[in-house]
Amino acid sequence: AIQMTQSPSSLSASVGDRVTITCRASQGIRNDLGWYQQKPGKAPKLLIYAASSLQSGVPSRFSGSGSGTDFTLTISSLQPEDFATYYCLQDYSYPFTFGPGTKVDIK
Amino acid sequence: QVQLQESGPGLVKPSQTLSLTCTVSGVSLSSGSYYWSWIRQHPGKGLEWIGYIYYSGNTYYNPSLESRLTISVDTSKNQFSLKLSSVTAADTAVYYCARVTPHPEEFDYWGQGTLVTVSS
Repeated sequence: AIQMTQSPSSLSASVGDRVTITCRASQGIRNDLGWYQQKPGKAPKLLIYAASSLQSGVPSRFSGSGSGTDFTLTISSLQPEDFATYYCLQDYSYPFTFGPGTKVDIK
Repeated sequence: QVQLQESGPGLVKPSQTLSLTCTVSGVSLSSGSYYWSWIRQHPGKGLEWIGYIYYSGNTYYNPSLESRLTISVDTSKNQFSLKLSSVTAADTAVYYCARVTPHPEEFDYWGQGTLVTVSS
């Protein structure tokens, strides 16, 4: 199975900050990667698919980039509702695998 | 509006079979445009893809669970189900069902999740 890693595992940031989260795959996955946001007690929510495509209804402050093994999720100006845990998911090959998550909390 | 809702026992005894159903509304499972997936999350931990099914019955399972796993679909009820046999405490988790739009795979609609505890 393809292993996914994320860095950092957690970060503290302020409203208005630019935040960058990195996801790395153990082998090349083209651009077959999605980003999901999860708030406590809630189901994950799709933000980005195919590495850089913004899901309908998701604010444009979220963006994704990368291909191959290295990917980035960027929040251009952190808003109060963005404090959550973020997961990457590779859908290049079975079994699909998630990264361990990055928790974004308030500084 | 697409909605998914998990249902099933919240408590299962060790060695027994965990059975969950996901009822889908707002889209027909037999439309042929989507896969229907199960994902779980151990308490305080990350997410694990369990597997998914196409309306025709074609399934794709996580090899780590495949020997104990059955995912099925009932298009007449617009439901799909998960059965996981010989459960242990390690199967205690929140179980989510989700719709997957293929190519690229987008897990775009999720149920709220249901906690299943394995304990005697």
